[in-house]
Amino acid sequence: GAVVSQHPSRVICKSGTSVKIECRSLDFQATTMFWYRQFPKQSLMLMATSNEGSKATYEQGVEKDKFLINHASLTLSTLTVTSAHPEDSSFYICSAGEGYTFGSGTRLTVV
Amino acid sequence: GENVEQHPSTLSVQEGDSAVIKCTYSDSASNYFPWYKQELGKRPQLIIDIRSNVGEKKDQRIAVTLNKTAKHFSLHITETQPEDSAVYFCAASPTSGGSYIPTFGRGTSLIVHP
Repeated sequence: GAVVSQHPSRVICKSGTSVKIECRSLDFQATTMFWYRQFPKQSLMLMATSNEGSKATYEQGVEKDKFLINHASLTLSTLTVTSAHPEDSSFYICSAGEGYTFGSGTRLTVV
Repeated sequence: GENVEQHPSTLSVQEGDSAVIKCTYSDSASNYFPWYKQELGKRPQLIIDIRSNVGEKKDQRIAVTLNKTAKHFSLHITETQPEDSAVYFCAASPTSGGSYIPTFGRGTSLIVHP
């Protein structure tokens, strides 16, 4: 079946720094990948749709300049949280593929 | 856009009992309804799905029903076991060009007591 790999699984960063999260499709090509954010005990909220070779599509209320998405190849999409603040602390998770397979998620803590 | 409501938010049952989680959706264009199980700190895993041309689907102890007229669908787990304890999310999505982007419900925390 489809496998989606996400790194890092956990990251702690200082306020004001940037963090890059990678999402890879290991055994299939993905022209589209999705980035979600999940606060504790809450649902998955779609942040943006990552499109290979073109600009990402952001959901309403998501700052594209703060959450930079790059989908440079058919197997890799990256999400960069720029100038991170404590309120950006969350669980970020990507998904891809026909079965909507999720990556393992990244727990971001901004201190 | 789509709006998915899910109830209950928490569900506590005794081992061996059945558990039912209900969802409603708003967009009549939605035609794909997956259910995900998410254990603490882990990724959501697809456990069962149903398409709008089917009213019911069963996979061992798990079944899903869909009422398109009423725009609601439900997950049924029979003979629950402690390892069924997790958060369950329903989702609804239209399909376009073979792909879909689901809108998720808020989740149901299922606790199965041994």
